[in-house]
Amino acid sequence: KQEVTQIPAALSVPEGENLVLNCSFTDSAIYNLQWFRQDPGKGLTSLLLIQSSQREQTSGRLNASLDKSSGRSTLYIAASQPGDSATYLCAVNDYKLSFGAGTTVTVRA
Amino acid sequence: NAGVMQNPRHLVRRRGQEARLRCSPMKGHSHVYWYRQLPEEGLKFMVYLQKENIIDESGMPKERFSAEFPKEGPSILRIQQVVRGDSAAYFCASSPPTANQETQYFGPGTRLLVL
Repeated sequence: KQEVTQIPAALSVPEGENLVLNCSFTDSAIYNLQWFRQDPGKGLTSLLLIQSSQREQTSGRLNASLDKSSGRSTLYIAASQPGDSATYLCAVNDYKLSFGAGTTVTVRA
Repeated sequence: NAGVMQNPRHLVRRRGQEARLRCSPMKGHSHVYWYRQLPEEGLKFMVYLQKENIIDESGMPKERFSAEFPKEGPSILRIQQVVRGDSAAYFCASSPPTANQETQYFGPGTRLLVL
């Protein structure tokens, strides 16, 4: 059974700092890995999708890496802004998504 | 191209009533997934359906819950005789026929409150 862990559970940083969010998973037989953002009481916004054959994906200030053999992914957010405050979810796809519990990020102005 | 649609967005039911949650996948998508997010918990997979077929229902509670995705119309998640513990956000996602390698696109969710 796939287990997905996200560390840390919560993170508070001043505006402008870079953010590093970690995700680990137990079964490397995956198709891809997705990072999502969820605002309180809202749905999920897909941020990045990394296929199992890829090592990283970038979109604007976001960069995600994937090391399938070690079962790890890292989401980097550069130059954080208060608008980045949200819960970030990592999900691995082995045809169904298995989610981590999330990292709740607070960026202080 | 409209995204994944879910309705209702909010649903209030009393204990013992039935709840029906609807999901219309994105155009051209034939795979539907339902996930549940209990208060203060992560999202958990419930069921994976293709048109007229349940592919994997390993995450569905054994009783009171059922799902369908008919040839025509939306996918329906049905909860009979709701209890307070069913209060949660229920999210639907869809993906195209080349499902496994593709992004799953999520709907806005239905927030069920059982009084």
